[in-house]
Amino acid sequence: NAGVTQTPKFRILKIGQSMTLQCTQDMNHNYMYWYRQDPGMGLKLIYYSVGAGITDKGEVPNGYNVSRSTTEDFPLRLELAAPSQTSVYFCASSLDSSGNTIYFGEGSWLTVV
Amino acid sequence: GDSVTQMEGPVTLSEEAFLTINCTYTATGYPSLFWYVQYPGEGLQLLLKATKADDKGSNKGFEATYRKETTSFHLEKGSVQVSDSAVYFCALSDYNNNDMRFGAGTRLTVKP
Repeated sequence: NAGVTQTPKFRILKIGQSMTLQCTQDMNHNYMYWYRQDPGMGLKLIYYSVGAGITDKGEVPNGYNVSRSTTEDFPLRLELAAPSQTSVYFCASSLDSSGNTIYFGEGSWLTVV
Repeated sequence: GDSVTQMEGPVTLSEEAFLTINCTYTATGYPSLFWYVQYPGEGLQLLLKATKADDKGSNKGFEATYRKETTSFHLEKGSVQVSDSAVYFCALSDYNNNDMRFGAGTRLTVKP
């Protein structure tokens, strides 16, 4: 009963380092998303994908990259980490966008120092 | 574009008090409406949903009715418990968008 699984759960990065947040889902969902949640704030969409091989920018894509080579996986890459990228990152998936429920991973707490 | 506005928090209530968290939406189509809950240190979990006008979603004593005439989806619970302390997010989704639109979240604290 895995659902959406993201790793790592916690990570500390130094300014300028790069890293990849992994996300996988086992529900055969077409849509996958990456959100960030800053302290005391709502969710902001970074990138999304409507299917394997297709990705698109959300509201706050700068400083990030994604790929979707398979239906199951949707990694998020941070290049040249900056303190402004300190946040909690949530991966999510849904069958499609027409009113279906979005399922979230447990979150990845990232601190850039 | 489509958007969701929910009442600002934080909200602090005593145990067994009545809860209302207001949510209104703007949408060009006929969206589905959702309430998600986020407990401390966890991801968002679906609390309830409604897919068309006049539908009532309910779960764990929480209810919300899809009101098209007032474009609202207010969350209510008759008697809150300490374990209901969490952040609550209103959200909408429809085929016009490729993602779900979330409100800013309302933090609820219930004191014994």
